[in-house]
Amino acid sequence: GEDVEQSLFLSVREGDSSVINCTYTDSSSTYLYWYKQEPGAGLQLLTYIFSNMDMKQDQRLTVLLNKKDKHLSLRIADTQTGDSAIYFCAEVSGNTPLVFGKGTRLSVIA
Amino acid sequence: NAGVTQTPKFRVLKTGQSMTLLCAQDMNHEYMYWYRQDPGMGLRLIHYSVGEGTTAKGEVPDGYNVSRLKKQNFLLGLESAAPSQTSVYFCASRRPGQAYNEQFFGPGTRLTVL
Repeated sequence: GEDVEQSLFLSVREGDSSVINCTYTDSSSTYLYWYKQEPGAGLQLLTYIFSNMDMKQDQRLTVLLNKKDKHLSLRIADTQTGDSAIYFCAEVSGNTPLVFGKGTRLSVIA
Repeated sequence: NAGVTQTPKFRVLKTGQSMTLLCAQDMNHEYMYWYRQDPGMGLRLIHYSVGEGTTAKGEVPDGYNVSRLKKQNFLLGLESAAPSQTSVYFCASRRPGQAYNEQFFGPGTRLTVL
């Protein structure tokens, strides 16, 4: 089946940039997503990118998509302690269920 | 709108007991999903439904059953709970279609099986 891979942990200092990486296998992916899960809560959509785009910027968030290499990244500028959470990469093709990665736990050190 | 709600929030069961988790959404979404989340395993899809009266198996369906009798509700049943089913369960819903449609998640149910 289709697979989404991401590293499990990332630690950064407050004020630095964070970059969370993800790779996927489904070449027919139409949308790729980043979800954020804060402690004790469900997942919330952070941002998404359509597969025919290379980049999307939304305030402190920048999503880069390399479709040839099937690589997605999320850059958080000026990382704050409130950004500490688990970040999930996900992809979808048509109306099939979303395929999620295992999540990257971001720890922000003050 | 309440979005996606889950009942109960917490539950402790003994091995062999049964229970039903309820998911409700008020967004008129066709698609609904049940996931379990375990440390280091991410989210794994248990069962899903693409409409009232229809269900399908996901990645880890064994030991679970589901029903979608009403569009707004999706029930997850454990007939004979096992310690391996200790997990946090999340329900989600979304509208179908080729265009972008956000998947909304409930707050989760933390289940412990002793």
